Amino acid sequence: AQSVTQLDSHVSVSEGTPVLLRCNYSSSYSPSLFWYVQHPNKGLQLLLKYTSAATLVKGINGFEAEFKKSETSFHLTKPSAHMSDAAEYFCVVTRANQAGTALIFGKGTTLSVSS
Amino acid sequence: KAGVTQTPRYLIKTRGQQVTLSCSPISGHRSVSWYQQTPGQGLQFLFEYFSETQRNKGNFPGRFSGRQFSNSRSEMNVSTLELGDSALYLCASRVAGGRTEAFFGQGTRLTVV
Repeated sequence: AQSVTQLDSHVSVSEGTPVLLRCNYSSSYSPSLFWYVQHPNKGLQLLLKYTSAATLVKGINGFEAEFKKSETSFHLTKPSAHMSDAAEYFCVVTRANQAGTALIFGKGTTLSVSS
Repeated sequence: KAGVTQTPRYLIKTRGQQVTLSCSPISGHRSVSWYQQTPGQGLQFLFEYFSETQRNKGNFPGRFSGRQFSNSRSEMNVSTLELGDSALYLCASRVAGGRTEAFFGQGTRLTVV
């Protein structure tokens, strides 16, 4: 079965410092992995995706993530946090079978950015 | 290119009533999925439609149903509303099935009183 575990429910950083949001996944086959961001009272926006091409994936707004199969991890990073990065972040794995496809979401990590 | 449009944005209903939510996917996208988001349970998969057929269903009671029309627009219906159905309902649009990324609408905030 496919699942994701976001290791931190809340991360606090100062503006200009690096961001690290951690995600471990479980999948019985080569997974597709995504990071989505949700700002308050908004829908979900795709930050980046991994679909078995390059293991280092670059996304929007300076975010990137590295797929590490040996560690079953897909951590999200950004070199320098901005106030506008404050939001909730979701790590997502695709569950695909004969019945169709579903996105399996982690519990989310709330990122706070202080000035 | 227009994004995913969900209507209405907000709804207040009374226990026992039923409600219909609407989703218009991105033009050319044939797959529409629905998700429920609550503070306690997080984001949970409801069902997926592709070319007017339900392909996949999550672990929700039969009170939750949906359909997809020939223009790919989708509706979900919740009958006999319960207080616990209060949630943000999100619609996701994809070009096709498989591992393609999903694009989400802003959601419909349903409050059951």
